[in-house]
Amino acid sequence: KNQVEQSPQSLIILEGKNCTLQCNYTVSPFSNLRWYKQDTGRGPVSLTIMTFSENTKSNGRYTATLDADTKQSSLHITASQLSDSASYICVVSSGGGNKLTFGTGTQLKVEL
Amino acid sequence: GAVVSQHPSRVICKSGTSVKIECRSLDFQATTMFWYRQFPKQSLMLMATSNEGSKATYEQGVEKDKFLINHASLTLSTLTVTSAHPEDSSFYICSARDPMAGAWGETQYFGPGTRLLVL
Repeated sequence: KNQVEQSPQSLIILEGKNCTLQCNYTVSPFSNLRWYKQDTGRGPVSLTIMTFSENTKSNGRYTATLDADTKQSSLHITASQLSDSASYICVVSSGGGNKLTFGTGTQLKVEL
Repeated sequence: GAVVSQHPSRVICKSGTSVKIECRSLDFQATTMFWYRQFPKQSLMLMATSNEGSKATYEQGVEKDKFLINHASLTLSTLTVTSAHPEDSSFYICSARDPMAGAWGETQYFGPGTRLLVL
């Protein structure tokens, strides 16, 4: 069964600090792995997308890594801001991108 | 990136009424659209896959007669929650697949969601 597990479930950090979110998956066949940011009451917004041949990808203060051998990914947020408070969802796609397996998300709260 | 819109953004209705939610791809033609439901503090759950010009494919456990899906054009899919009940209250999100993105690109773009509250 395809599964995506994320940790931690929730996280509170101080503004300006860095943090790293983890994602482990067992999805086959693998097409790509995406990280989304979902603000409360909004739809997910794509942060990064990586194929099996990509080890790292950055989008501003967000840097995602992918280890296709161990089936692990991480999302690193640098110099966090209050606006980073959201749910971060790891999504692995298979079947040419049509079939998505969602992680349960990490709820991040950035405080002053 | 591509834009997907949903209307309405939120709706409150009485139990027993039907509610229609629209999902539009604004700058690309989406042969396939997806409907998700998300309960508080849970991840998105796929309800059905909507293909333009054909019947939708529903996930196991989703009642097709209760959640009617119509994908009449390449830019519009609608989800109608028939005879809504309080347990149908949820956040409904659609996504649209860009067929031009290719297998390795971003293929699904999500709408902003519709908050449904059934009283």
